This record gives sequence, C-alpha cells and structure tokens, in this order.
Amino acid sequence: QVVQSGAELKMPGASVKVSCKASGYAFSSHGFSWVRQAPGRGLEWMAFINGYSGATNYARKLQGRVTMTNDISTSTAYMELRSLTVDDTAIYFCARGQSGKKGWYFDLWGSGTLVTVSS
Amino acid sequence: SYVLTQPPSVSAAPGKTARITCGGSDIGSKTVHWYQQKPGQAPVLVVYDSSDRPSGIPERFSGSNSGNTATLIISRVEAGDEADYYCQVWDSDNDPWVFGGGTQLTVL
Repeated sequence: QVVQSGAELKMPGASVKVSCKASGYAFSSHGFSWVRQAPGRGLEWMAFINGYSGATNYARKLQGRVTMTNDISTSTAYMELRSLTVDDTAIYFCARGQSGKKGWYFDLWGSGTLVTVSS
Repeated sequence: SYVLTQPPSVSAAPGKTARITCGGSDIGSKTVHWYQQKPGQAPVLVVYDSSDRPSGIPERFSGSNSGNTATLIISRVEAGDEADYYCQVWDSDNDPWVFGGGTQLTVL
C-alpha cells in the first residue's frame, strides 16, 4: 500500500512538501509519480522519480518549482512544490509506476493529500 | 504535446453496455490505460496495456485500441460503475504521462 501525509494549508508564495510511504513491496523496484487534481478538474501528471536510481522527470509547466526525492531506507517518496499560488490548490496523489508493453502506467495510488493555498 | 480527447459524459442503463472513447493521433500505436475514479476517492486502474485487466477487476471491463480511438467497454453496467473514467498514454516525446480530460459515466 501507499500512505500519504496529511492535509496542508499554505499561504501564497510558500512551499509545501508532501510524502508518500510505501509498504508491502520492494520500494526500489518501482518508480513513483505525483498526480494532482484541482477541484472539479481532471488528473494532471506532475513528476516522476525512479525508485532505484533516483532519476527524476518533471512536467514542463512545473520545471523549476517542483522537486522529487526519495529515501530508500524508509521507502518514502517526497514532492516539494515552491512559490505556491491559489491555482496549486488541489488533491495531490502519489501513484506507483509500472512498466507496460509501451511505456508506463500507475497500478497503485495513495488516498491523496489536500493542499490548500489561501491567504 | 500529445492530446487525448474524451467525451465529458456517457450514460447507460443497468445491464446494458457503456462505451467510453479516448481519441488521439495514431493512438493505436500506443498502449492505453484506463482509471476509474469515484467521488472522493483515488483513481483505480481498471484496464492496462489497452486490453488487460488487473487482478480484482471484473471481466465486465474490457478495452480496445485501433487507429485514432481507444475504447473502454463496460458490459452489464451496474449502479456501482457510476464514476469518472480517465484514459492515459505514455508519450516519450513530451511530458511522459498524458491523461484524457475524463468522462463521467451515469447509470440511468
């Protein structure tokens, strides 16, 4: 399973760091992504980290504002988002990546972390 | 960037078949993955690699993919199938994970 950190309330301009702890399988054998969903909107992929190598890949629109890291010793992945605006208000899902026949998909999702940005 | 187009809503009567489409340029050359999201819950993978089902997903859920359209097919629709459904592909040329805009399935 995948357990995410709790809800956050942040001021505009601040940063937020959310976590995703995996259990029940070999953490380093998978990658993790963060996918967010603004209120009433669809799913938006944000970032990916390779659980073994730590290599990262970020959505172009978030380049420079987002950083993913992981701690293999605790099977935890982290995502930090900086310079928050009200448009960053969303539920942030951690999702385990799985390699398919032609690329990757998400086979296990966390329950989500609500991040609210408000003054 | 690669764009996936889904109809905003689809409806079906209980016991009938619902078909949710996902359009994209030459999507048939890619594999398509489908997620079900019920209100207040995280998405759940229901079809991967265009037509395979994860363990625990009913056989009523199936998928096809050809040309410019992929389709999620839900046979013998039940009230519990009412949810939002998202298609997703992996696009190595741009932002890798691309989602469709989602389709709300209403069971009449």
